[in-house]
Amino acid sequence: DARVTQTPRHKVTEMGQEVTMRCQPILGHNTVFWYRQTMMQGLELLAYFRNRAPLDDSGMPKDRFSAEMPDATLATLKIQPSEPRDSAVYFCASGSGALRGTDTQYFGPGTRLTVL
Amino acid sequence: AQTVTQSQPEMSVQEAETVTLSCTYDTSESDYYLFWYKQPPSRQMILVIRQEAYKQQNATENRFSVNFQKAAKSFSLKISDSQLGDAAMYFCAYRSGFGSQGNLIFGKGTKLSVKP
Repeated sequence: DARVTQTPRHKVTEMGQEVTMRCQPILGHNTVFWYRQTMMQGLELLAYFRNRAPLDDSGMPKDRFSAEMPDATLATLKIQPSEPRDSAVYFCASGSGALRGTDTQYFGPGTRLTVL
Repeated sequence: AQTVTQSQPEMSVQEAETVTLSCTYDTSESDYYLFWYKQPPSRQMILVIRQEAYKQQNATENRFSVNFQKAAKSFSLKISDSQLGDAAMYFCAYRSGFGSQGNLIFGKGTKLSVKP
C-alpha cells in the first residue's frame, strides 16, 4: 500500500528554535509539493519540486523557510527561526508528474506544528 | 490567477439521505482538472473524485458524483446515501492543465455533519 509518509506527526517547539519536517514521497513519484493549512488562510502552496529540482518556492517566507530534496526518497522543510505564526499543519504531497492527464496528488498525514 | 470558492462553510445531512456541496471556480484556462478532497478529523487528505475539464461526462465514484458545469464554472459534489463516515471537511481543488506546474488551488472547505 503505497503512501506518503511524514515525520514528525506533531511538533511543539519554542519560538526561535529550528524545525525540520520530513517527507517520503511515494516510490516512483517525481513531483513533491509542500502545503500549509491554517484556519485563516486555508491550504496554500509553499514549495514544489519536480525531479528533485525546486521549481517554485514563492509561497515560502524566504528568510526563514527552506525546502530541499536531498534524494528521490526524502523531502525536507526547515524553519529557522520558528515563530508563533508558523503554527499550522504542514502537508507533503507527491504525484507521478504526468504532464497530461489527471496527475493526482497523494497527501501525507501532515505535521501539526505548534510554536509557543 | 485562478480562484476556488466554496460558499457553504457548513452543511448537515441526515444519514442515508443525499447532500450536495457547492464549488465555483474562476479561470481563463481551457485545460484544467478539478478535484474533491475529504479531510476527516484525522487530518488525512483523501481524494474523493476528480474531473477532467475536457470531459463532458460527469465523474462518479460509488456514492459520490459531480455536476460539472463548465460554462458556469461550477463543480458540485453529490453524496448519496450519506453515511456517518462521510462526516468531514470537503475541499474543492483546481489544477491547471498541460505544461502547468501542477499545484492544487483549494477552496476554503465545507464542513459536513451527518446526523444519525
